[in-house]
Amino acid sequence: SQKIEQNSEALNIQEGKTATLTCNYTNYSPAYLQWYRQDPGRGPVFLLLIRENEKEKRKERLKVTFDTTLKQSLFHITASQPADSATYLCALDERDSSYKLIFGSGTRLLVRP
Amino acid sequence: DADVTQTPRNRITKTGKRIMLECSQTKGHDRMYWYRQDPGLGLRLIYYSFDVKDINKGEISDGYSVSRQAQAKFSLSLESAIPNQTALYFCATTSQQGDTDTQYFGPGTRLTVL
Repeated sequence: SQKIEQNSEALNIQEGKTATLTCNYTNYSPAYLQWYRQDPGRGPVFLLLIRENEKEKRKERLKVTFDTTLKQSLFHITASQPADSATYLCALDERDSSYKLIFGSGTRLLVRP
Repeated sequence: DADVTQTPRNRITKTGKRIMLECSQTKGHDRMYWYRQDPGLGLRLIYYSFDVKDINKGEISDGYSVSRQAQAKFSLSLESAIPNQTALYFCATTSQQGDTDTQYFGPGTRLTVL
């Protein structure tokens, strides 16, 4: 069966360090992968999209990699700040005519000052 | 003003009651979605609609129904609420940018069924 896995344990890091979050998937062949940020009590907010033919994408302090051989995406936040504390969700397209996204359960990031 | 709004934001109801959650968007998007979010399970798709005349079931549609009253409005109904429908519900719209879908979420409705 198709599955998306994100680490359910919170990632706790010191301010200024690089946070790295992982998204693994099985039995998918997504055309692209997206990362969203979700704050408590609020809806997810889109951050970045990376296509299957792209290895890496950057936006300010954010970097996403996509390894279709390993079936894995890594999401990095450099020079992390307490304001980066949130839950981060990855999402894959369901490659059929339905144009639906399948979401992982998210990883909570805590950045200590 | 928010682009995607949901009402109510919080609702407590009793088992067996009929509940309607409403979603409105000002983004002009054709595609709208309803998800529920439970701790540890992530977002699961309940229903989605690609236009006013198109309604599709998601992975967990049992116990739910929807109505697409207009391009901008998509309502989710629980005909007879049960406690395991207690969850956070999100509406989303899609901007199809080329061959990708970036989703814009509303603020969510926290529903508690007693």
